[in-house]
Amino acid sequence: GEDVEQSLFLSVREGDSSVINCTYTDSSSTYLYWYKQEPGAGLQLLTYIFSNMDMKQDQRLTVLLNKKDKHLSLRIADTQTGDSAIYFCAESYTGGFKTIFGAGTRLFVKA
Amino acid sequence: DGGITQSPKYLFRKEGQNVTLSCEQNLNHDAMYWYRQDPGQGLRLIYYSQIVNDFQKGDIAEGYSVSREKKESFPLTVTSAQKNPTAFYLCASSPRTSGSPEQYFGPGTRLTVT
Repeated sequence: GEDVEQSLFLSVREGDSSVINCTYTDSSSTYLYWYKQEPGAGLQLLTYIFSNMDMKQDQRLTVLLNKKDKHLSLRIADTQTGDSAIYFCAESYTGGFKTIFGAGTRLFVKA
Repeated sequence: DGGITQSPKYLFRKEGQNVTLSCEQNLNHDAMYWYRQDPGQGLRLIYYSQIVNDFQKGDIAEGYSVSREKKESFPLTVTSAQKNPTAFYLCASSPRTSGSPEQYFGPGTRLTVT
């Protein structure tokens, strides 16, 4: 069945890089996403990658996709205190209506 | 300003009462969704709608009902049949009904039932 797994917590120092990892099970996934949720708010789409890509970079964000291992990662360079939030990995596929979300990784950034 | 609004932000109800959560979007999106979020869990799909006057059950539809009479609006009713209704509820919309990478979320409604 469909499942997306990610570790629940990550703590980094301000200025360091953060790497949040995710594994998924559905090999037919077409889109893989990273969403950010700040306390008491809705989710905000940070970036997404098509399954035929290996990497996508957008300013401080780098997404790496290892399709063979069904592993997705989000690297945040020069992490700031404002990056403290919950980060959700998610997947969907062309022709489907559902987006499957992981449980979210809570990122703590220490000043 | 285009976006999705949910109201109210906080809602308190007594057990046994039905309650309706509002979701409105002015993005002209066809698809709308309701999710439930519990601590330490991912979002779980309650209902979704691809078009006006049509909606489908998600993974956890029991105890919930929806309507889609207008493109802009997708209210969710939490009925007294929902065994554990206290949660954070998120509404989302998408410009296409399938395979769209863009899903826009509202700010959420936190429902507490005592």
